Amino acid sequence: GESVGLHLPTLSVQEGDNSIINCAYSNSASDYFIWYKQESGKGPQFIIDIRSNMDKRQGQRVTVLLNKTVKHLSLQIAATQPGDSAVYFCAETLSGNTPLVFGKGTRLSVIA
Amino acid sequence: EAGVTQSPTHLIKTRGQQATLRCSPISGHTSVYWYQQALGLGLQFLLWYDEGEERNRGNFPPRFSGRQFPNYSSELNVNALELEDSALYLCASSLRADTQYFGPGTRLTVL
Repeated sequence: GESVGLHLPTLSVQEGDNSIINCAYSNSASDYFIWYKQESGKGPQFIIDIRSNMDKRQGQRVTVLLNKTVKHLSLQIAATQPGDSAVYFCAETLSGNTPLVFGKGTRLSVIA
Repeated sequence: EAGVTQSPTHLIKTRGQQATLRCSPISGHTSVYWYQQALGLGLQFLLWYDEGEERNRGNFPPRFSGRQFPNYSSELNVNALELEDSALYLCASSLRADTQYFGPGTRLTVL
């Protein structure tokens, strides 16, 4: 499988600012996408999901955007807080048929 | 409602030994997935069990194996441990084969 090495892309934002984390997915046939948050030493935590028949979905302080034309997914976090500091992974699947394939992850660092 | 649970939290073994990791899915979930996350790396898919059967397998050698029990809990077995097997092993469960919910992981250290 793929591996990213020790250095994840890092996004540093000021507390209170909005964060945008991007992900390029690999399979144009994928029809279901999920964002996970992983804090140090813990398992990934489900944040928000979106199906391919939508291009935007909003949750509490988070919005996921899907652009199928360029196979791009983004996670927007409004009013970023110190507790948002973590590694964020996107994941894709062809529903019901394939396991999730995870992106390489982005480390979000919130500056107080 | 209880989430996915894994045991043990930490496991220390020496090269050549065998390790057994356990996972209990969320109540009602029939699918269990295993992932390996080596330090600083992403999640590498290992195995997928559904209704007691192996549905898919990642790019790992045969010494990584597992099973799913009638109550949908699962075991991951790693034989002939190697130093590079040291990692966080994550279990996830789902009702369908898409939304997966993860447990806290088992940290395996091979000395």
